[in-house]
Amino acid sequence: EPEVTQTPSHQVTQMGQEVILRCVPISNHLYFYWYRQILGQKVEFLVSFYNNEISEKSEIFDDQFSVERPDGSNFTLKIRSTKLEDSAMYFCASKFAGIDGYTFGSGTRLTVV
Amino acid sequence: AQKITQTQPGMFVQEKEAVTLDCTYDTSDQSYGLFWYKQPSSGEMIFLIYQGSYDEQNATEGRYSLNFQKARKSANLVISASQLGDSAMYFCAMREGTGGSTGNQFYFGTGTSLTVIP
Repeated sequence: EPEVTQTPSHQVTQMGQEVILRCVPISNHLYFYWYRQILGQKVEFLVSFYNNEISEKSEIFDDQFSVERPDGSNFTLKIRSTKLEDSAMYFCASKFAGIDGYTFGSGTRLTVV
Repeated sequence: AQKITQTQPGMFVQEKEAVTLDCTYDTSDQSYGLFWYKQPSSGEMIFLIYQGSYDEQNATEGRYSLNFQKARKSANLVISASQLGDSAMYFCAMREGTGGSTGNQFYFGTGTSLTVIP
């Protein structure tokens, strides 16, 4: 069964550093998403991406964050100047179209120290 | 107001028994989708079941069924014949609008931690 692949599974970074979280969505999917889940809390929407541009973003997704689909297969989330409160599980998700649910990746656990 | 409310932070169920996880939602849209995801301790999010707002029948997927009560705006997940591997967090989610729209973010509830007791 096709999967959404996220790398790395766990990343530790120093406060103030930039990190790039990588995702390879399912190949024929058209819509791409990033969500985050702070430990023990609910899953929060960050951003959606369609047709090579952001289609929707939440209040969390400020200038510190950016997304890119550089080569038609990868979908990246860049976090500039990381803060302690950015520590969370970050999920990538994708879908083809229509009303079905997303396929989520297995997540990247980001720890900012 | 919260879009998705899950009022049970933790639930316990005996193995082989059925369990209902509650979910209520808030939307003024006529068209929306309701979803349940399972999150085991490994952290991944696993899609379980989907119910569309216009679906007249309750969705079923194997041991999972969704008790959809539109007037009450509830979408409870029923797991029959619980297994030890069902122990996990369960999240209810909603997407407003039609699936063809761009964006369509999901709104998640706070989750219910289910523990299956041998």
